[in-house]
Amino acid sequence: DAGVTQSPTHLIKTRGQHVTLRCSPISGHKSVSWYQQVLGQGPQFIFQYYEKEERGRGNFPDRFSARQFPNYSSELNVNALLLGDSALYLCASSPRDRDTEAFFGQGTRLTVV
Amino acid sequence: GEDVEQSLFLSVREGDSSVINCTYTDSSSTYLYWYKQEPGAGLQLLTYIFSNMDMKQDQRLTVLLNKKDKHLSLRIADTQTGDSAIYFCAETLVGGKLIFGQGTELSVKP
Repeated sequence: DAGVTQSPTHLIKTRGQHVTLRCSPISGHKSVSWYQQVLGQGPQFIFQYYEKEERGRGNFPDRFSARQFPNYSSELNVNALLLGDSALYLCASSPRDRDTEAFFGQGTRLTVV
Repeated sequence: GEDVEQSLFLSVREGDSSVINCTYTDSSSTYLYWYKQEPGAGLQLLTYIFSNMDMKQDQRLTVLLNKKDKHLSLRIADTQTGDSAIYFCAETLVGGKLIFGQGTELSVKP
């Protein structure tokens, strides 16, 4: 069975640019969450989507947005990139929206220069 | 507030047991997790415990939960060099949001 897949694995962008990160959850899982992990810290929650609806949002600016598609895959968009957005972006897949296991992908390493 | 705390470093000898500790904040957390992260990689779910359990054992891993003190621990028996990594504990808040600690870097010396 395929696990959580994220693309791309690495990305370099310039300040002010826009980026789109993609995630495909485990087959049968309907919930996708996004986390940002800055070097040396634990992951921080950005968004949760379940059945194409936003179920939770972390303390991130409006430059961050996301959506979930009918096949439960998801995109995370970040506009007007700042140097501080450089991080590992992790996607988590869960079968339900709460009280459930969460499985992570390998992440997308974003570097903003 | 939301704050999961872990000690930052642990060093053990190969073959010894490792115990990684964590304190969490929300007594209503339903699932509590342990994840392993190797350099440059994503998070690997090691094990989890449901809040109505005190202990869970899975091969070399033992998780202990003390709900009164909001304390979670992960014991790794017969620690190997391949266990060297950063270990994160996480609690689940309402709505499925995970709150992570800063991670404990485990170093296993031969």
